[in-house]
Amino acid sequence: DAGVIQSPRHEVTEMGQEVTLRCKPISGHNSLFWYRQTMMRGLELLIYFNNNVPIDDSGMPEDRFSAKMPNASFSTLKIQPSEPRDSAVYFCASTRGYEQYFGPGTRLTVT
Amino acid sequence: AQSVTQLDSQVPVFEEAPVELRCNYSSSVSVYLFWYVQYPNQGLQLLLKYLSGSTLVKGINGFEAEFNKSQTSFHLRKPSVHISDTAEYFCAVSDAGTASKLTFGTGTRLQVTL
Repeated sequence: DAGVIQSPRHEVTEMGQEVTLRCKPISGHNSLFWYRQTMMRGLELLIYFNNNVPIDDSGMPEDRFSAKMPNASFSTLKIQPSEPRDSAVYFCASTRGYEQYFGPGTRLTVT
Repeated sequence: AQSVTQLDSQVPVFEEAPVELRCNYSSSVSVYLFWYVQYPNQGLQLLLKYLSGSTLVKGINGFEAEFNKSQTSFHLRKPSVHISDTAEYFCAVSDAGTASKLTFGTGTRLQVTL
C-alpha cells in the first residue's frame, strides 16, 4: 500500500497566485481530511469529506479556500488568491474507521 | 464540543530515562482517545488508541497510555526512551458517535539527549 499521496511536496508561490494542492487517499478509505499546521496555530482541521461529500467545512479560513473531492481517489485544496499568511504545511489524511492515515504534507510558502 | 490540553510544550529527557507526556481532555459525551507522533518533515503516525475495554493501552515503539475517566486524562508513558524517540507528540480525541473527526492538542516536543 502506497499510503496517502500528496503533491506537490513543496510549493513556493507569489502573493496573489492560485495554488492547488492534491491528495490521493488510501484505496478503500471513505473519509478524507484536510489539515493545516503552523507554529502559531498548531494543527487545524480545514474540511472533511465522507463518501466524497463535504461534511464539515467550518475550519476553512475564508472564501479564498475551496476543496473538492470529485471521486473516491482524488481531492484538491485550492487557495485563490494566496497570501503570505497562508504559508504552512498542509496535510491530507484518510480513514476507513477510527485511525487516520496522514500523508507527508505539502509545505506551502507564499512570498 | 471537545478540547484537548497538552500542558507541556517541551519535555527534555536523557536517553534510557522514563518519560510521561500529559494529556487532558474535555467532552460531554463518550470519547475515543489517540496519541500520534510526528517526526521531522513527516506526517503524523498513530502510536496507540483507546476505544473501549482495558484502560491501559499499549502501542508501537514501547509506548503505553492509560485512560482515566475520572481525571479525564490519557497520559503517554515509556519506561526507557531512545534518541530516536525525539519527535512531536499529539494527543487527540473524537466523539465516539462520530469517530472519524479528531480534535488535536497543541503537541509536546520530546527531546531526548545523551
